[in-house]
Amino acid sequence: GQNIDQPTEMTATEGAIVQINCTYQTSGFNGLFWYQQHAGEAPTFLSYNVLDGLEEKGRFSSFLSRSKGYSYLLLKELQMKDSASYLCAVLSNDYKLSFGAGTTVTVRA
Amino acid sequence: IAGITQAPTSQILAAGRRMTLRCTQDMRHNAMYWYRQDLGLGLRLIHYSNTAGTTGKGEVPDGYSVSRANTDDFPLTLASAVPSQTSVYFCASSDSGEGYNEQFFGPGTRLTVL
Repeated sequence: GQNIDQPTEMTATEGAIVQINCTYQTSGFNGLFWYQQHAGEAPTFLSYNVLDGLEEKGRFSSFLSRSKGYSYLLLKELQMKDSASYLCAVLSNDYKLSFGAGTTVTVRA
Repeated sequence: IAGITQAPTSQILAAGRRMTLRCTQDMRHNAMYWYRQDLGLGLRLIHYSNTAGTTGKGEVPDGYSVSRANTDDFPLTLASAVPSQTSVYFCASSDSGEGYNEQFFGPGTRLTVL
């Protein structure tokens, strides 16, 4: 079975940094995805980690520790448009994605 | 380039009625997926297809059926809708159903079953 936990909500100020944590306990692991989903829209791909360490992509970075079953998504220099839900998803042994419930980030001026 | 399209955008349906949600992709992706998204539960996989002509069950397949007659289309059918099937349904596709592959999502169908 899959158990993926992430905080329900986070609030931060424009220009600040926010870290969204994701812990997982899954039967098999082939990588971890982060998706962004604006209200009423489709999820869109942000990042993929399969090896331990930090992957940086512009203002967004994603970290993975396989031994700890832990990942985080770091959003730097927050902008109002970053207000969205962020979905953590684990790719299992059968190459199917299991999603966490998502973290809603609200950016305030 | 359309990517993935879904129809209808939204639908209100009486319980017991049959409904087919349509999904079409133009990226020539081999794998396609149907998810439902409910508040507090995240996206859950209903059915998937790794290639045309094959389908498989996901986490919550009961009450739903799919077919994959060709590469582009992957319809989801509710044979007899029930109120618990009220949800937002997302279709997705990826180049392959095996290995690392980013999934691309359609805009979703909001379904209400009364």
